Amino acid sequence: DTGVSQNPRHKITKRGQNVTFRCDPISEHNRLYWYRQTLGQGPEFLTYFQNEAQLEKSRLLSDRFSAERPKGSFSTLEIQRTEQGDSAMYLCASSLVTTGHEAFFGQGTRLTVV
Amino acid sequence: DAKTTQPPSMDCAEGRAANLPCNHSTISGNEYVYWYRQIHSQGPQYIIHGLKNNETNEMASLIITEDRKSSTLILPHATLRDTAVYYCIVFTGNQFYFGTGTSLTVIP
Repeated sequence: DTGVSQNPRHKITKRGQNVTFRCDPISEHNRLYWYRQTLGQGPEFLTYFQNEAQLEKSRLLSDRFSAERPKGSFSTLEIQRTEQGDSAMYLCASSLVTTGHEAFFGQGTRLTVV
Repeated sequence: DAKTTQPPSMDCAEGRAANLPCNHSTISGNEYVYWYRQIHSQGPQYIIHGLKNNETNEMASLIITEDRKSSTLILPHATLRDTAVYYCIVFTGNQFYFGTGTSLTVIP
């Protein structure tokens, strides 16, 4: 499968714990996005990378959130001291840096904080 | 801030054309209109996109008004597998701005 891969698919964690998600983009894609989606809502932008550089972050990305994309390949999204409000689907997408080029989304990681 | 407005739900008879409207009255000249759909909480799936001209591919057609303030996604022959949430999106070059989408139900 050459699509965007996200792991794990599901994560249940206790409030206060740290969690880390991984995204493997399509190999030739140099742009990578992270989005968050809560029930009944459309995805909300969190951040994006162009190669290894993080170029934009949403105000939704509080200090407890950090994302990395070492070497411009896979990316990780870490949430520290999780809260119940962090429960959501976390989606990753990748694309080429070409205006008008479609982004391919992964299946997402569903986080439940109990 | 929502950049797109869509009806929350629509029904369409199987085999008929589904026409999904979208308002994006604040779109800027260099921002694209994208359409994605999402089935059963899977990741969104790309359908089509455009800037000014109407576009057609194997899945759908996109009609953009001349003033670019609205657009319509057309699924020419809806099937039961087209039942999904359809998102009209403005792409700024940095972000895809999703709205709340239209839940399309295709009825047998």
